[in-house]
Amino acid sequence: QQQVKQSPQSLIVQKGGISIINCAYENTAFDYFPWYQQFPGKGPALLIAIRPDVSEKKEGRFTISFNKSAKQFSLHIMDSQPGDSATYFCAASSQAGTALIFGKGTTLSVSS
Amino acid sequence: NAGVMQNPRHLVRRRGQEARLRCSPMKGHSHVYWYRQLPEEGLKFMVYLQKENIIDESGMPKERFSAEFPKEGPSILRIQQVVRGDSAAYFCASSPGLGTPYEQYFGPGTRLTVT
Repeated sequence: QQQVKQSPQSLIVQKGGISIINCAYENTAFDYFPWYQQFPGKGPALLIAIRPDVSEKKEGRFTISFNKSAKQFSLHIMDSQPGDSATYFCAASSQAGTALIFGKGTTLSVSS
Repeated sequence: NAGVMQNPRHLVRRRGQEARLRCSPMKGHSHVYWYRQLPEEGLKFMVYLQKENIIDESGMPKERFSAEFPKEGPSILRIQQVVRGDSAAYFCASSPGLGTPYEQYFGPGTRLTVT
């Protein structure tokens, strides 16, 4: 019940295309859903996050879509660029000050 | 505004030695979390600390691992008698505790190699 399942494991997208990464969870107590971007040899960087009171949040080319009834959320990267090539992790937590539960990550490669 | 700092960035230890990993949170942040990342895996929570208190250590192995966050100085993750299976990247994250308490910001990590 504490798991966050992320798919796909890897993704190849053409430059300018849309990258879509999906996550699903079971624990209905989760109320915070962030996405992190990680480059090789670096720490994860907080990209964008959503709370369950909204169904969508957009920041620049990055959008989170959230479906509370399906217990799913996804990251959309519009106009994907080679510089977006990285590993993306979804995560969830149940209240402020608790551990983040991470998905296993998606390796995105944007080809030019 | 400096981010989360971790040192050393790389640490090599022989089996049986001790490893000490240090983490300085972002300025103004009083909450520290430690996570471990194995190759090709996501991050796994280990421990959550506030100044002088361990709040949640449910992800910490029962033996050989300990963590502290003293009143002064960085948080320390200590691994005694390291084994090859301890080889991983260890990340520290910090959060403010107030305002945007959910947000956790990660440091660059310490890559531990046990030979």
